[in-house]
Formats: sequence, C-alpha cells, structure tokens
Amino acid sequence: NAGVTQTPKFRILKIGQSMTLQCTQDMNHNYMYWYRQDPGMGLKLIYYSVGAGITDKGEVPNGYNVSRSTTEDFPLRLELAAPSQTSVYFCASSYRGSLGNTIYFGEGSWLTVV
Amino acid sequence: EDKVVQSPLSLVVHEGDTVTLNCSYEVTNFRSLLWYKQEKKAPTFLFMLTSSGIEKKSGRLSSILDKKELFSILNITATQTGDSAIYLCAVEANSGGSNYKLTFGKGTLLTVNP
Repeated sequence: NAGVTQTPKFRILKIGQSMTLQCTQDMNHNYMYWYRQDPGMGLKLIYYSVGAGITDKGEVPNGYNVSRSTTEDFPLRLELAAPSQTSVYFCASSYRGSLGNTIYFGEGSWLTVV
Repeated sequence: EDKVVQSPLSLVVHEGDTVTLNCSYEVTNFRSLLWYKQEKKAPTFLFMLTSSGIEKKSGRLSSILDKKELFSILNITATQTGDSAIYLCAVEANSGGSNYKLTFGKGTLLTVNP
C-alpha cells in the first residue's frame, strides 16, 4: 500500500537555489495538500488542490508554487530558497465524500537551506 | 481567522500515569475535530469527532468533544513509553461553498519516562 509518497526525504539547499518536492498518491483522492512543520509550531498549510487543474493558497504560500496536472501528482516548487524555508514538509491527500476529512500524510521531507 | 489552541505544549509523565491533553478552538462553520499522533515521521490518525458528548475510544486512548464550550480532550490511561509523541489537534471547517480547510494546533509533546 503506497498511499502518499513524497521525495526526497532529505535535502540541503544553498540560498537562492531552486528545487521541487515531489508528491504522488495512489488512492484516487481529489484533495491534496502541502504543509510545513517548524519545531513547536504545528502544521501550516502552504497550498492545496481540490482536483486536477485547481490549486489555491493556504496560510503560508509565499516563496512556493504548485501545480496539479493529474489527480495523482502535486509537486511543490521552491524558486529561490531562503533560510526561512528550512522546515519539514508534508504532502497529504484526502477524499471528499464522507463526513469529516481524514487526511493521509506522506512520510515528510526534511529541507535545510544554508 | 480560525484558531486551534492546545495545552499543555509539553508534558513529562511516568509510565502508568494518566494524562489529559486539551484542545480548544474558535472556527467558523465547524465540521469536525481530529486528533493525530506524530512520532518521528508523519502524523497518524487517531480520532475524528463530529458530535458533542460522544466518547470515541481506542484501547487506552479516548476522546470527547464539547461543541458548546468549543473544546476537546484526549485521555491516555496507563501510559507507556511508546505513547511518547507529539499529539496534534486539528479542526475542519467549511471555508466557502464545498471547500473545507483544516487548521492544526501547535501540538502537545508528551514524554513518558520508564
């Protein structure tokens, strides 16, 4: 059972570099999300998507971009990495159809910007 | 702005103790409240609560929601070292139309010492 798969698990970036965090899910979920988690700060929503071709900003979108060309994939792009983007990133997905919203998370990507 | 506040932020207990974790919220158009356990990696789902006063139980863990007072508690009885984790509370609310958003608290770091 693959669930939500995100890569890479660890990455060190230099200030100003760009990179893409990949996320794919095999549960045919229509909703997908990117969160970042800083120590002692819980999870903050960066971007989310309610379906292929539709994306929207969350609480902390600055410095990031996303796309959703397929139901399965939701990559997160950092264009000009900054030290403030050092964090743990979680991709997640959910299915809208039942009461409530149970989100499935990926394993996380640890990103350090130096 | 939706708000979820967890307390305490951290807690250290001995094996066998009983703990109560708190989550209060202020959201518009509440739909559900969720509890997650996060060890070293991704949060894992514990409970989803939608109705007031109905206890959800799973082994030594239980949770209840009070929609009038806008809070939930998570109880863990006879704690074990394997219960050591961050416990996250999240509230789902309707953000307009058929869109929903999840707001997370900062989490409670529970440490259970042998």
